[in-house]
Amino acid sequence: DIQMTQSPSTLSASVGDRVTITCRASQSINSWLAWYQQKPGKAPKLLIYKASSLQSGVPSRFSGSGSGTEFTLTISSLQPDDFATYYCQQYNTRTFGQGTKVEIK
Amino acid sequence: EVQLVESGGGLVQPGGSLRLSCAASGFTFSSYGMSWVRQAPGKGLEWVSTISGSGGTTNYADSVKGRFTISRDNSKNTLYLQMNSLKAEDTAVYFCAKGPCGGDCYTFDYWGQGTLVTVSS
Repeated sequence: DIQMTQSPSTLSASVGDRVTITCRASQSINSWLAWYQQKPGKAPKLLIYKASSLQSGVPSRFSGSGSGTEFTLTISSLQPDDFATYYCQQYNTRTFGQGTKVEIK
Repeated sequence: EVQLVESGGGLVQPGGSLRLSCAASGFTFSSYGMSWVRQAPGKGLEWVSTISGSGGTTNYADSVKGRFTISRDNSKNTLYLQMNSLKAEDTAVYFCAKGPCGGDCYTFDYWGQGTLVTVSS
């Protein structure tokens, strides 16, 4: 099975910071990767699909990149609404990463 | 506006059964694949099952294969998850999620708020 590993597990940042989260696959998944945001007690929200395509309605400060086994989610300027947990997900077996919590520094 | 509303969660004993429902509105239900994704308390997300828009294709995670059955009633715009032989490790919030395609979708573009299933004696 393809394993997805996110780093870091927790990230402390301030409003306005540039934030980067990494997701690594145990084998190549081409560009078949999605990113989700989840706030406590809420449903996840799709941010990025096919590694770098921005979902409709998602602010442009979010971007995704990568292919093969290494991927990144970048928030160009962290906003108060962005403090949440972020998950990557590979398409093949629909496996999620373990999550990265972005907390206030 | 896409809306997904889950129901049917609750407390059930190990070995018991439960059926979850997800009422959909705001889109042409039969044109999209639908899925169930779960989240154990304090844990990450785990995909459970997906069904195509026609209902003709289904897929399951190994952890639930043979115990859970996904189905849909396109005349009622409703998705179901029949859960049998429940185990303590099935305890989770179960989310209904819409796929962005009509077939065996691999991502989830809209989610319901979830329903909690607790398996305990």
